[in-house]
Amino acid sequence: GDSVTQMEGPVTLSEEACLTINCTYTATGYPSLFWYVQYPGEGLQLLLKATKADDKGSNKGFEATYRKETTSFHLEKGSVQVSDSAVYFCEGDSWGKFQFGAGTQVVVTP
Amino acid sequence: NAGVTQTPKFQVLKTGQSMTLQCAQDMNHEYMSWYRQDPGMGLRLIHYSVGAGITDQGEVPNGYNVSRSTTEDFPLRLLSAAPSQTSVYFCASSGTGWRFTEAFFGQGTRLTVV
Repeated sequence: GDSVTQMEGPVTLSEEACLTINCTYTATGYPSLFWYVQYPGEGLQLLLKATKADDKGSNKGFEATYRKETTSFHLEKGSVQVSDSAVYFCEGDSWGKFQFGAGTQVVVTP
Repeated sequence: NAGVTQTPKFQVLKTGQSMTLQCAQDMNHEYMSWYRQDPGMGLRLIHYSVGAGITDQGEVPNGYNVSRSTTEDFPLRLLSAAPSQTSVYFCASSGTGWRFTEAFFGQGTRLTVV
């Protein structure tokens, strides 16, 4: 069946370091891909998305490019801040059932 | 703009009690779903609905019931609470043309079963 594989955490970084979280999606169809962020005590909120091959989603300094060959959608940020500490979820649609990755906790230290 | 509203935010139940978690959205979304989030387990789909009167099971449906009598509401019922149902529950919705639109989440319900 369809599934999302996401890099395991926790990932601990110093402020201003580079962040990459890997995500790949296996599907029989051609999914749209999303990244969500969850801050402590809150629900998930959309960070960025891409709906077709070579699309690049970007928001708050984060970027991810939809690679059709590998159905990958890796999340990147060039210089993280303490406020980026959160759990990040990759997601692909599956005709009514959103498929989420397991989530990657990111901890940024001053 | 309320979005997705979940109530209650916190709940403590005794084993064997029943209760209903409420979820309402005011965006006229067709798709609604319930997830539970446990430490280290990510989000697991409990039940989902693709429109009023239509529901289906997700990955972990046992012990839960849902109904979708209106587009706006999608309540989740715990029939006989068990400690294994201690979790954080999230409701989500997505609109028409959902393939290209994101899921909107409620703030969550933290449930403890003792």
